[in-house]
Amino acid sequence: DAKTTQPPSMDCAEGRAANLPCNHSTISGNEYVYWYRQIHSQGPQYIIHGLKNNETNEMASLIITEDRKSSTLILPHATLRDTAVYYCIVRARSTGTASKLTFGTGTRLQVTL
Amino acid sequence: ETGVTQTPRHLVMGMTNKKSLKCEQHLGHNAMYWYKQSAKKPLELMFVYNFKEQTENNSVPSRFSPECPNSSHLFLHLHTLQPEDSALYLCASSQPGESYNEQFFGPGTRLTVL
Repeated sequence: DAKTTQPPSMDCAEGRAANLPCNHSTISGNEYVYWYRQIHSQGPQYIIHGLKNNETNEMASLIITEDRKSSTLILPHATLRDTAVYYCIVRARSTGTASKLTFGTGTRLQVTL
Repeated sequence: ETGVTQTPRHLVMGMTNKKSLKCEQHLGHNAMYWYKQSAKKPLELMFVYNFKEQTENNSVPSRFSPECPNSSHLFLHLHTLQPEDSALYLCASSQPGESYNEQFFGPGTRLTVL
């Protein structure tokens, strides 16, 4: 799996957009970008994933650069409940065997009033 | 009940005790996972089960013994643990095929070994 690099921490004011970057310069053509988050002392929560096109769901948007070497997770209107550690994971989609996700240290997002 | 549930949520045990952690998923998934998260460390994958068969053991000590009787249930049997085994133990499940990487996690069991 390609290595990812994320800033260790970020702050965001409530109501503003939170833009969380991730670098994955060694990503392969068949590897997807996945985002998870983990609120303190809870299990991680899947947010979104994408291959090369931008993606949006009810939780967030994912913007992937044209060269696919980096991506940004956008929480359009951050709330205090979005305070969590956000993990960017690059992984090929598994079709045969169960997946082995590798979680790094992520970005700790603190949303403040 | 929906999603992935884990019991107990908190467990304190001595080093000579035997205990079990239980995970149940109500999502119809066929892949289940155990992860360990020690304080201030990234999640570590411990075991993977696919259609009740263990497909991954990430060099986990034998004092941790998993059991998957069916695709909905996963157990982690614990015996003669060490204080350094104190951690949050998380269970997850996913759907076979292209959605393997979209894993759904339970709330975890906070384990303290005295």
